Amino acid sequence: AQSVAQPEDQVNVAEGNPLTVKCTYSVSGNPYLFWYVQYPNRGLQFLLKYITGDNLVKGSYGFEAEFNKSQTSFHLKKPSALVSDSALYFCAVSNLPRDDKIIFGKGTRLHILP
Amino acid sequence: EAGVAQSPRYKIIEKRQSVAFWCNPISGHATLYWYQQILGQGPKLLIQFQNNGVVDDSQLPKDRFSAERLKGVDSTLKIQPAKLEDSAVYLCASSSPGSPSTDTQYFGPGTRLTVL
Repeated sequence: AQSVAQPEDQVNVAEGNPLTVKCTYSVSGNPYLFWYVQYPNRGLQFLLKYITGDNLVKGSYGFEAEFNKSQTSFHLKKPSALVSDSALYFCAVSNLPRDDKIIFGKGTRLHILP
Repeated sequence: EAGVAQSPRYKIIEKRQSVAFWCNPISGHATLYWYQQILGQGPKLLIQFQNNGVVDDSQLPKDRFSAERLKGVDSTLKIQPAKLEDSAVYLCASSSPGSPSTDTQYFGPGTRLTVL
């Protein structure tokens, strides 16, 4: 069965600094990996996904994620953080196309300090 | 395009009462999902529909939860009777299965349920 771990409950970054939100996964076969963001009182918004191809995936709002097969990681990154990036971030994994059930991590709260 | 619609946005009930949530997916999306998100946790899949058929309901507490998608479009999720531990945000999502470029799930704003 697939699983995903987000080891940090909260990450604090100063505005303008680079940010990283960590995610590791476990899945049989080739993983499909996703990042979603959740702003207060709003549903999850899709940021980006990795299916195959380049290990560096670019997504919405300037975010990118790096797939590392040997470390089974899919860390979310942004070169320069904005205060408006403060939100709850979820990493997710699935066994698509075999099984489109998506398993979510518990989430990491990102605080960007002005 | 219009997003996933959910109602109500908030609901407060007492334990042992019943409650129903409604979801209208993105037009043309054949797959619909209901998730439960308890505070401090990631969303957990309750049930998945493909058109009006159930694909996966392995994590749905069937003694008290039920869901239907009779016409393959909108869906309702019901809890009867509610327990304190059902307090959570209930998220609806939809996707258009097929190529990897279309399998992304799109989420509604959620219904925040408080059981007293």
